[in-house]
Amino acid sequence: SQQGEEDPQALSIQEGENATMNCSYKTSINNLQWYRQNSGRGLVHLILIRSNEREKHSGRLRVTLDTSKKSSSLLITASRAADTASYFCATDADNAGNMLTFGGGTRLMVKP
Amino acid sequence: DAGVIQSPRHEVTEMGQEVTLRCKPISGHNSLFWYRQTMMRGLELLIYFNNNVPIDDSGMPEDRFSAKMPNASFSTLKIQPSEPRDSAVYFCASSLGTSGPSGYTFGSGTRLTVV
Repeated sequence: SQQGEEDPQALSIQEGENATMNCSYKTSINNLQWYRQNSGRGLVHLILIRSNEREKHSGRLRVTLDTSKKSSSLLITASRAADTASYFCATDADNAGNMLTFGGGTRLMVKP
Repeated sequence: DAGVIQSPRHEVTEMGQEVTLRCKPISGHNSLFWYRQTMMRGLELLIYFNNNVPIDDSGMPEDRFSAKMPNASFSTLKIQPSEPRDSAVYFCASSLGTSGPSGYTFGSGTRLTVV
């Protein structure tokens, strides 16, 4: 079973709007990561947030982590058509050694 | 660095044939992962190597699948014999642990079609 589950599965917004994607997980973690996958390409690492951090920023990306609720959110501000992609959360669980477990992803479409 | 390099990019083969997928990880990375991605099952971890040693192969679906890492710069995933249900995109990823800021680096994948 998947450790992380993204919500929503698909999201369609207009350019300039903000996009928020959520991730829930089941077990305690060392860190949580977000990745982007453009169609036909490999996943690209966006940002990592450690279990003792609550919020992290990188450019137009803002990630929050609530370990009490076992959830994380990825906010993309002022979205652009080029942000159209699938976004995955991945967890590095306490009992999983060095392995990441990926969720099913959110497909984001940003309309120009 | 050219990133994680996978070959071939596309492979079309007939059922029953042997398929070998190749991966060159980023120099200096000590962990290598093989994933399979399908619409139905999403991204699945097949096998994971640390310092060239297989650590966890519990995701390998059947004995038809095997993976090797003879040295730090090369890994193969072999399917013999291949079946239509093996059709998927296979990704290789490498990392220097997950405690650093850069996570996993993925290759561009091999799109396998078994007919």
